[in-house]
Amino acid sequence: NAGVMQNPRHLVRRRGQEARLRCSPMKGHSHVYWYRQLPEEGLKFMVYLQKENIIDESGMPKERFSAEFPKEGPSILRIQQVVRGDSAAYFCASSPSGQGNGYTFGSGTRLTVV
Amino acid sequence: SQQGEEDPQALSIQEGENATMNCSYKTSINNLQWYRQNSGRGLVHLILIRSNEREKHSGRLRVTLDTSKKSSSLLITASRAADTASYFCASVYDKVIFGPGTSLSVIP
Repeated sequence: NAGVMQNPRHLVRRRGQEARLRCSPMKGHSHVYWYRQLPEEGLKFMVYLQKENIIDESGMPKERFSAEFPKEGPSILRIQQVVRGDSAAYFCASSPSGQGNGYTFGSGTRLTVV
Repeated sequence: SQQGEEDPQALSIQEGENATMNCSYKTSINNLQWYRQNSGRGLVHLILIRSNEREKHSGRLRVTLDTSKKSSSLLITASRAADTASYFCASVYDKVIFGPGTSLSVIP
């Protein structure tokens, strides 16, 4: 029973390119959460999704960032036209319900914008 | 900001000593969780305490929760060098909100 799988582990993008981060939740988990962690800081909530629905995107920047969790396949966090300030570790977590119990985190994707 | 606070920001102790980290949060909660993060790695779930519980133990970990003060503490007893990491509290209602973390260094 694999845990939450995130890929790639490391991603380097030039300014202006697009970054796609993937998250496959644990088997049986239908709730996915994305967090961003800047160097030396805590995790900031970005977005909460269920299959095919965005439940809470209050932490998402208004522009360039989008997330989806399709019926089939992993959840995708997409950052268009990346800038240096987007460099961070992006963590995904999944849970079987939306009550915050049974949270399991992936190992994260470290995005570096050069 | 929905984030609470953690103190201290950084803590350095000798191996064998106890380490206490405190956390405050802002909203109502279903539960509060503590996580550990080793440098450059993902988060590891340590312990969960429900809103109707006041204290919980797991091995060398002891967590307390005071919902009237919206605060929690994590005590690590008989610390080891391997406990060196950042520790985050996370308040949980409809989503999980993390505190800024405490960086713990345990000196052998």
